[in-house]
Amino acid sequence: SQQGEEDPQALSIQEGENATMNCSYKTSINNLQWYRQNSGRGLVHLILIRSNEREKHSGRLRVTLDTSKKSSSLLITASRAADTASYFCATVITSGTYKYIFGTGTRLKVLA
Amino acid sequence: DAGVTQSPTHLIKTRGQQVTLRCSPKSGHDTVSWYQQALGQGPQFIFQYYEEEERQRGNFPDRFSGHQFPNYSSELNVNALLLGDSALYLCASSGDGFNTEAFFGQGTRLTVV
Repeated sequence: SQQGEEDPQALSIQEGENATMNCSYKTSINNLQWYRQNSGRGLVHLILIRSNEREKHSGRLRVTLDTSKKSSSLLITASRAADTASYFCATVITSGTYKYIFGTGTRLKVLA
Repeated sequence: DAGVTQSPTHLIKTRGQQVTLRCSPKSGHDTVSWYQQALGQGPQFIFQYYEEEERQRGNFPDRFSGHQFPNYSSELNVNALLLGDSALYLCASSGDGFNTEAFFGQGTRLTVV
């Protein structure tokens, strides 16, 4: 079963609106990273948040982490058509593993 | 900084053949990981190389093998290709440790016919 699950699976909003995506995971983590993927190409790194952090910002992006609920959210404010992409969360669990475990992603469509 | 570069971008192979994919990590990174992404799915971890050794492996058969060179670049080899190996193969580079950012290349789209 997946360590990370994004919710919703798909999201369609109007340009200028905010988009919120959620990620839930099952086991304790070292960190959680969010990525964007356009049209099945490479993953673009957005933000890394460590297990001892609760919130991080980068431009129009805001990421929160709630380790008690094993969940994270990615907020994109004032969305643009160029934000249309799939968004993935990836976790590194605390068992000494080096691999990133990805969810199935949220497909965001921003309508102009 | 060229970031993570992968080659080739697209590849078509016949079932049973062998393929080699290549990856150059981001400058300053010494750790390379490989992922397989099937259509509509999240990437799945294949293995990670550090100091020219396979440090960790995911749930992939021995047909998948790799190598890391002294300059930290890496290759992914897949033998006896199956139709189910058709996917986007992604390379990620990072510094060593559990709390470093991983940067991905643009991927190699492999189609097995």
